[in-house]
Amino acid sequence: AQKVTQAQTEISVVEKEDVTLDCVYETRDTTYYLFWYKQPPSGELVFLIRRNSFDEQNEISGRYSWNFQKSTSSFNFTITASQVVDSAVYFCALRGGTGFQKLVFGTGTRLLVSP
Amino acid sequence: EPEVTQTPSHQVTQMGQEVILRCVPISNHLYFYWYRQILGQKVEFLVSFYNNEISEKSEIFDDQFSVERPDGSNFTLKIRSTKLEDSAMYFCASSTTGNVNTEAFFGQGTRLTVV
Repeated sequence: AQKVTQAQTEISVVEKEDVTLDCVYETRDTTYYLFWYKQPPSGELVFLIRRNSFDEQNEISGRYSWNFQKSTSSFNFTITASQVVDSAVYFCALRGGTGFQKLVFGTGTRLLVSP
Repeated sequence: EPEVTQTPSHQVTQMGQEVILRCVPISNHLYFYWYRQILGQKVEFLVSFYNNEISEKSEIFDDQFSVERPDGSNFTLKIRSTKLEDSAMYFCASSTTGNVNTEAFFGQGTRLTVV
């Protein structure tokens, strides 16, 4: 069975602080992909990043960075110098196996960035 | 930029009525999905669809639900005899392939309220 756990239900920070969102996953698949999606107050789901199970190289994209550690089954997401517009719910998701597979989402972390 | 569009954005229906939620996937995508998010909860997979048939469905997707691609552009979710607990945000998504490494692009969602 596949499972994604986001233990942080809500995080509040002040603008310009760095914030890390945690994601821990479980899967028996040897090939899988991990995703982060952002859900702003308007409700849509916005794709942010995907990483495959064979690539543990961390990635930085602007103010966003991701830390994938297979040894601890974690795929954490850091926002540097947070801004009010970063306020949203962030979902970590897993897609595993081969062929046609669904996304399994975590419960999401609500990030509130105040001025 | 191509996007998945869903209509209506909000639908209110009386318990026991049938509703049809509509989606127009990205034009060159071949795989289509419906997900559901009960308010404040995680996003849950309902069904995936490829080549005019269901590829996978969750335990949520029982006989009350059906999907259809009535023409070359639309992808619909029909919910028969709606119940209060069907109230949720319903997301349509599409992807170019069904491979595990392919991100799904989500629509802005349809909020269904059953009263």
